[in-house]
Amino acid sequence: QVQLKESGPGLVQPSQTLSLTCTVSGFSLTSYNVHWVRQPPGKGLEWMGRMRYNGDTSYNSALKSRLSISRDTSKNQVFLKMNSLQTDDTGTYYCTRDRLPYNNWDNWFAYWGQGTLVTVSS
Amino acid sequence: DIQMTQSPASLSASLGETVTIQCRASEDIYSGLAWYQQKPGKSPQLLIYGASSLQDGVPSRFSGSGSGTQYSLKISSMQTEDEGVYFCQQGLKYPYTFGAGTKLELK
Repeated sequence: QVQLKESGPGLVQPSQTLSLTCTVSGFSLTSYNVHWVRQPPGKGLEWMGRMRYNGDTSYNSALKSRLSISRDTSKNQVFLKMNSLQTDDTGTYYCTRDRLPYNNWDNWFAYWGQGTLVTVSS
Repeated sequence: DIQMTQSPASLSASLGETVTIQCRASEDIYSGLAWYQQKPGKSPQLLIYGASSLQDGVPSRFSGSGSGTQYSLKISSMQTEDEGVYFCQQGLKYPYTFGAGTKLELK
């Protein structure tokens, strides 16, 4: 079945770089788009960016200067890197998958990982 | 960016009661709207996409409607397991944006 699982450090120091990995199973990264969405504690959801099935990326303009998304299809992994972290980057980071394959228009998040909590603190 | 405004911020409903949550977009999103349910400590779950299509496995008491800038989610008969926070999301334009959420509790 479809699974996504985020992994990475739980604690990051201010001004440092966050590196997260999303390991997927049950589908191919060359068929489905994978997104990163984050949620500050007790707050709402923010779309961060997308790795498209063909390898293209799209980013939230509010984060674009700090954010990079890449992938390794042989390992079924999508990576997030974000630099210059501050305390308001604290939150749960999710990777999610689109509902449909080869998707260019149906931008709904049908499958989610369990999320990984990242705390930015010295 | 398209702003998504949800109302109310919270509500409580009795078992069997009909519940309606509203979502307004800052511009026409041409039915490019989804609804998610999130329970405490869990990931969001897709309920409705394309404003009115029910995601596989979601109970039929959930329904979505609306067009243009105004959308709503209806739960036809509140159940215990429907407690949680509900978010709307527009999928028309980058960046995809979410409403602030509506917390639904059982009365």
